[in-house]
Amino acid sequence: AQSVTQPDIHITVSEGASLELRCNYSYGATPYLFWYVQSPGQGLQLLLKYFSGDTLVQGIKGFEAEFKRSQSSFNLRKPSVHWSDAAEYFCAVEPDSSYKLIFGSGTRLLVRP
Amino acid sequence: DAGVIQSPRHEVTEMGQEVTLRCKPISGHDYLFWYRQTMMRGLELLIYFNNNVPIDDSGMPEDRFSAKMPNASFSTLKIQPSEPRDSAVYFCASSGGRGTYEQYFGPGTRLTVT
Repeated sequence: AQSVTQPDIHITVSEGASLELRCNYSYGATPYLFWYVQSPGQGLQLLLKYFSGDTLVQGIKGFEAEFKRSQSSFNLRKPSVHWSDAAEYFCAVEPDSSYKLIFGSGTRLLVRP
Repeated sequence: DAGVIQSPRHEVTEMGQEVTLRCKPISGHDYLFWYRQTMMRGLELLIYFNNNVPIDDSGMPEDRFSAKMPNASFSTLKIQPSEPRDSAVYFCASSGGRGTYEQYFGPGTRLTVT
């Protein structure tokens, strides 16, 4: 079955530390891939997206993500986390040019001062 | 631009009542999406429109749910009759379509059905 997996429900990092949030998908072909961030009480904001080409994509707020076809992964990274990055992060895929975003279950990021 | 506008932001209603959620997409966007977010099921796409026409409503949970888009600047999601299990946050998103693909989300409507 088609699915998007974010294996970490919660992650806690210290401010200034590096961050990696994991995302794996299971689809036959390479779908379009996205990372969204949701702050408490807010809607979702797009951080970055991958359609094709360079497998390392840069996004807003200093985030980047790397697409690895062999691992069916699209992990999100940030070299130095700020307290304002505390939020919930969602990986999403759009399979088969369907316009239908399939979201993972989300990873809640907590930042220690 | 003001972004995607949703109203009301919070709705509390009793089981059996009709609930109408409203959405104004970003001007010029030709795709509109309705999502539901719950702890148990996460974020689910309910229905989406292109140029005011419903394209895929396979995510609509049952006949109690209906959505309309009478014009390019307004959409409604109606639940009638409402049930406690409909309690969730409902998001509307709009997009300019392929090529400029990004879905812009509204702030959501938190629905509580007692």
